[in-house]
Amino acid sequence: DGGITQSPKYLFRKEGQNVTLSCEQNLNHDAMYWYRQDPGQGLRLIYYSQIVNDFQKGDIAEGYSVSREKKESFPLTVTSAQKNPTAFYLCASSRDRGMDQPQHFGDGTRLSIL
Amino acid sequence: SQQGEEDPQALSIQEGENATMNCSYKTSINNLQWYRQNSGRGLVHLILIRSNEREKHSGRLRVTLDTSKKSSSLLITASRAADTASYFCATDGPDRGSTLGRLYFGRGTQLTVWP
Repeated sequence: DGGITQSPKYLFRKEGQNVTLSCEQNLNHDAMYWYRQDPGQGLRLIYYSQIVNDFQKGDIAEGYSVSREKKESFPLTVTSAQKNPTAFYLCASSRDRGMDQPQHFGDGTRLSIL
Repeated sequence: SQQGEEDPQALSIQEGENATMNCSYKTSINNLQWYRQNSGRGLVHLILIRSNEREKHSGRLRVTLDTSKKSSSLLITASRAADTASYFCATDGPDRGSTLGRLYFGRGTQLTVWP
């Protein structure tokens, strides 16, 4: 079955620690996205990538970093500079950057501070 | 920045009733999409309606779009307890060029359907 796999499902971060969230897709999609979801806030875009080796900042990129070395993988690092990392993180992909593309989502990683 | 805003924030109905959720947005769009999210899970795409379409159906779902009012509605007919979830609208917004393809999501409507 094609889809998006996020891991781990739950993650705990200590003060001053960087943590990396994994996102892998086997849909052969070009575009991938990272969102942050807080209660009552909806989804906010952190970073997105429309092709391998290229990515753009979204609305809340500060304190986060990404890489896109392979088409199927788009890991997100939450750095120690992100002072309020507790949230539900969702990864998504779409076939390409076209205007009429639905996004396919993983089941998320819930990050908490120890 | 959020392009779409859903209304109401929460909706509680009995099984068999219809559920209507509304979405308003701020700028011109090429299309509007509706997604569903079960608690603790990722979003699932329900339906996409293009700016030149006024109504679209998919099973028990009916979506309307009024570009003159910058609004859309999602109707779920004959609701079931399994429809309990959060529903989000998303638009492609006014972006062009390098930002083409990104979506702007609203805060969602939490629908509860009681058996």
